[in-house]
Amino acid sequence: KAGVTQTPRYLIKTRGQQVTLSCSPISGHRSVSWYQQTPGQGLQFLFEYFSETQRNKGNFPGRFSGRQFSNSRSEMNVSTLELGDSALYLCASSLGQGYRNIQYFGAGTRLSVL
Amino acid sequence: AQTVTQSQPEMSVQEAETVTLSCTYDTSESDYYLFWYKQPPSRQMILVIRQEAYKQQNATENRFSVNFQKAAKSFSLKISDSQLGDAAMYFCAYGPTGTASKLTFGTGTRLQVTL
Repeated sequence: KAGVTQTPRYLIKTRGQQVTLSCSPISGHRSVSWYQQTPGQGLQFLFEYFSETQRNKGNFPGRFSGRQFSNSRSEMNVSTLELGDSALYLCASSLGQGYRNIQYFGAGTRLSVL
Repeated sequence: AQTVTQSQPEMSVQEAETVTLSCTYDTSESDYYLFWYKQPPSRQMILVIRQEAYKQQNATENRFSVNFQKAAKSFSLKISDSQLGDAAMYFCAYGPTGTASKLTFGTGTRLQVTL
């Protein structure tokens, strides 16, 4: 069974641009969560999608948005990029919502904002 | 809000020896999950072990075991017979009950394994 796939692996953008990251969950998994990892702030929860609906949201500005498609694939969008958005963005999938469901992580997308 | 604290930024252990990584957390909930994740240089977070708060018995997965002290809000990870492949960042994480899949992570402990 294929794991969580994130594309692209690396991305370089300039300030003010927007970016879209993609996450394909493990087959059969319906929940997708996104996390931002930076040296300064560590790992922070961005949002979670389940059945195409955002179920939980972390403390990030509205420039960060996402969506989930009917096949459970998810995309994350960051508009008007700032230097501080440079980070590793991790996606995790699980069978369903809730703590009983183990989250499996992808290898992440490394975003550099110049 | 829940917080997770890992007070050891770096640890070192010799191959075949045992090492313990510390984690404390704060929550007002009585039921929750605790996790240890490993992040090697490949960046992919790998679940090492999971503990359900309502279970008294400490979780064990092969060479990995935890010491869960609910009253003290402490959740340490013991790695026995350390191997070179154990070298990685280790993150302690808290997961709520109910329908939320949100994890709260600690700042991580970098584990070095020496010959």
